[in-house]
Amino acid sequence: EVQLVESGGGLVQPGGSLRLSCAASGFTFSDYWMHWVRQAPGKGLEWVSRTNFDGRITAYPDSLKGRFTISRDNAKNTLNLQMNSLRAEDTAVYFCAREGVSSLDYWGQGTLVSVSS
Amino acid sequence: QSALTQPPSASGSPGQSVTISCTGTSSDIGTYNYVSWYQQHPGKAPKLMIYDVSKRPSGVPDRFSASKSGNTASLTVSGLQAEDEADYYCSSYAGSSSFVFGPGTKVTVL
Repeated sequence: EVQLVESGGGLVQPGGSLRLSCAASGFTFSDYWMHWVRQAPGKGLEWVSRTNFDGRITAYPDSLKGRFTISRDNAKNTLNLQMNSLRAEDTAVYFCAREGVSSLDYWGQGTLVSVSS
Repeated sequence: QSALTQPPSASGSPGQSVTISCTGTSSDIGTYNYVSWYQQHPGKAPKLMIYDVSKRPSGVPDRFSASKSGNTASLTVSGLQAEDEADYYCSSYAGSSSFVFGPGTKVTVL
């Protein structure tokens, strides 16, 4: 059974940093591109980042470039998201998701990040 | 990278059909046949319902169908059931390894 379990969320002050992780199991992690998607409270889904099989190719929306960094450790079956210079508008549930056929076929349950003083 | 456009809400009575549109640009939906649709119930993770414009993953009822014309994709839910009440999001590949989502449509079963 495919499982994705996010961790690392919590309360952080504006300007602070946070590192999210996603533990993958039930499939060959290194065979799949992976994504982070976020959802602010009461709002819609926003694509955050994507990485290829070995982490050498990464992508972000223009609005997040320079502050967020996606990475992966295939030996540990783990996807990471380093978030710096956090702002109130980064408050959201962050989901990791597996990319199947040009779509996100499995999602974790998400981890909540709250940015507030 | 601009978000896709969806109507905020749609509704129908049980047994009826509802269609949700998703409008993008020539940089995303208009160029790539990589449109997907997700269903999300409150407090839950999104669930993939459609991929590659019109394909259904295993286990998704055939009441869910989708298509694309030009820069606009559409999702139709036929034979509406109470459990179909949820938020629906479209997404498209947008080139340069990026993806984009729509703002979501809340489907209400009357």
